Amino acid sequence: KAGVTQTPRYLIKTRGQQVTLSCSPISGHRSVSWYQQTPGQGLQFLFEYFSETQRNKGNFPGRFSGRQFSNSRSEMNVSTLELGDSALYLCASSTTDMLEQYFGPGTRLTVT
Amino acid sequence: AQSVTQLDSQVPVFEEAPVELRCNYSSSVSVYLFWYVQYPNQGLQLLLKYLSGSTLVKGINGFEAEFNKSQTSFHLRKPSVHISDTAEYFCAVSSMDSSYKLIFGSGTRLLVRP
Repeated sequence: KAGVTQTPRYLIKTRGQQVTLSCSPISGHRSVSWYQQTPGQGLQFLFEYFSETQRNKGNFPGRFSGRQFSNSRSEMNVSTLELGDSALYLCASSTTDMLEQYFGPGTRLTVT
Repeated sequence: AQSVTQLDSQVPVFEEAPVELRCNYSSSVSVYLFWYVQYPNQGLQLLLKYLSGSTLVKGINGFEAEFNKSQTSFHLRKPSVHISDTAEYFCAVSSMDSSYKLIFGSGTRLLVRP
């Protein structure tokens, strides 16, 4: 069974731009969660989607948004990028109950 | 709300020695507990989880952890480490109260020396 895949793996953007990251979950998994990892703040929950609906949301500004498609693939978007958005963005997929989340390799975003 | 504390930011240990990585949590409701490992430039891999039942949980790569409700701890142990165990280890908690989102500790870097 293929694992969680994330594209692209690395990204460099300029402050003020926007970016879209993609995540393909494990086949059969309908829940996709996104986490941000930074040296200063550690791992923080962004949001979770299940059956194309946002089910949970963390404490991030509205510049961070996401969506999920009917095939469970998910995208997250960050608009008006700031230097502080530089981070490793991790996607995790799970079955309905989220009790065992499988993580992808992450997308390393650098904002200059 | 829940929180997780990993007091040791780095734990150096010699190869074949035992190791314990400490994790304490705070919660007013029942929780589920997890340990994840992150190798350089990779995502997180689930080592083991406690959902219910036996308080001693065995995971992959020879790791085990013990859930202690009275001390609100979930320490990770391995009787004999290998160089390949060098990585960052994260303790995490989730609960129905937080809609099962994972709340992570700050991580412990395990450095295994030959």
